[in-house]
Amino acid sequence: DQQVKQNSPSLSVQEGRISILNCDYTNSMFDYFLWYKKYPAEGPTFLISISSIKDKNEDGRFTVFLNKSAKHLSLHIVPSQPGDSAVYFCAAVTTDSWGKLQFGAGTQVVVTP
Amino acid sequence: EPEVTQTPSHQVTQMGQEVILRCVPISNHLYFYWYRQILGQKVEFLVSFYNNEISEKSEIFDDQFSVERPDGSNFTLKIRSTKLEDSAMYFCASRWGTLNTGELFFGEGSRLTVL
Repeated sequence: DQQVKQNSPSLSVQEGRISILNCDYTNSMFDYFLWYKKYPAEGPTFLISISSIKDKNEDGRFTVFLNKSAKHLSLHIVPSQPGDSAVYFCAAVTTDSWGKLQFGAGTQVVVTP
Repeated sequence: EPEVTQTPSHQVTQMGQEVILRCVPISNHLYFYWYRQILGQKVEFLVSFYNNEISEKSEIFDDQFSVERPDGSNFTLKIRSTKLEDSAMYFCASRWGTLNTGELFFGEGSRLTVL
């Protein structure tokens, strides 16, 4: 079941630069998208979300962009910090199954000094 | 900050044994979930629980699995007869909110190893 795909398993970025993480989905019924961050030996932590009726949502250093026609979303982190090194999961959900998140495989981000 | 807590952090069991994983959701949350992540694979939904009953379950959640909220604080996942393929990290999550609002808060996970 590949409804949510993160095709880049890893990303290395220099401190202070922009990190761009990408996510594609196939199910047009998804109407809410979320990004979670996960450190080793911890559970996923909610980062930012976007409704399908919007194309952008910003929260501090984190911005999520949604392109519904392309079924694509991206997470921008500016500027990247060493503490951002983690695995980032894209997830999607439909309104009628709100807690049933469909996760992508994750992207390991490494921020280097 | 309130958090979801899970015990044990790691459990090793023999195939065929029963296992109970425990979770204490955030106190004012109403919706409860179990997810799992097999090593190298995606985090996948198992079951959702609301108002003392299962609201949705995945095809993974067969008769070997059960969930319970035995008191006002704990939320448990029981695997009746473990199989090798049940080895995974199991995450409990909870949320407040109405039917379709509120993000999920995850616990740190319980690693289950079936030998």
